[in-house]
Amino acid sequence: AQTVTQSQPEMSVQEAETVTLSCTYDTSESDYYLFWYKQPPSRQMILVIRQEAYKQQNATENRFSVNFQKAAKSFSLKISDSQLGDAAMYFCAYRSAGYGNKLVFGAGTILRVKS
Amino acid sequence: DAGITQSPRYKITETGRQVTLMCHQTWSHSYMFWYRQDLGHGLRLIYYSAAADITDKGEVPDGYVVSRSKTENFPLTLESATRSQTSVYFCASSPWSTEAFFGQGTRLTVV
Repeated sequence: AQTVTQSQPEMSVQEAETVTLSCTYDTSESDYYLFWYKQPPSRQMILVIRQEAYKQQNATENRFSVNFQKAAKSFSLKISDSQLGDAAMYFCAYRSAGYGNKLVFGAGTILRVKS
Repeated sequence: DAGITQSPRYKITETGRQVTLMCHQTWSHSYMFWYRQDLGHGLRLIYYSAAADITDKGEVPDGYVVSRSKTENFPLTLESATRSQTSVYFCASSPWSTEAFFGQGTRLTVV
């Protein structure tokens, strides 16, 4: 079974600085998707970024980028120029590309942004 | 309204009662999911469905029942609620293998 591990329960960053959130996963499959979701205090789940495993290029969305290391099964999220609005719980998630594919989440990392 | 909607948003029920959480999506997505969110555990998958009339267990299915007679609806029933089922429940839907889109969540308290 696929598992997702986020080893940092909580992180802090100063406003305008850069922070990296870690995620590792375990799978025997070669074709899959990885995601980072943000959950602010409103509880709404918001997709931050998506990475297809067959793509070597790391995904980027504005201030958010990932470091995808397929061999190491690592998928970290870098937030540049952190803003107060980035404060939230961040979840890493894995999904197989095959039929009947579940979406599996890590335990989450709380990100605090200091002004 | 377009999107995915959960109802109710908040529910308080007594131990032993049956309660059903509703989920409705307007995109005709094939996949639908039910998760529960508890502190320290992230989102744990309860049940999911790849299409109408096809459902499968997730990580924590005990005490829950689902059905999917129509593509757009995926209700979750707690047959006999227990205090350990106090949680925030999220429904989500997705097309094939891409990201899932989430409802607003239902906060369920079992007293």
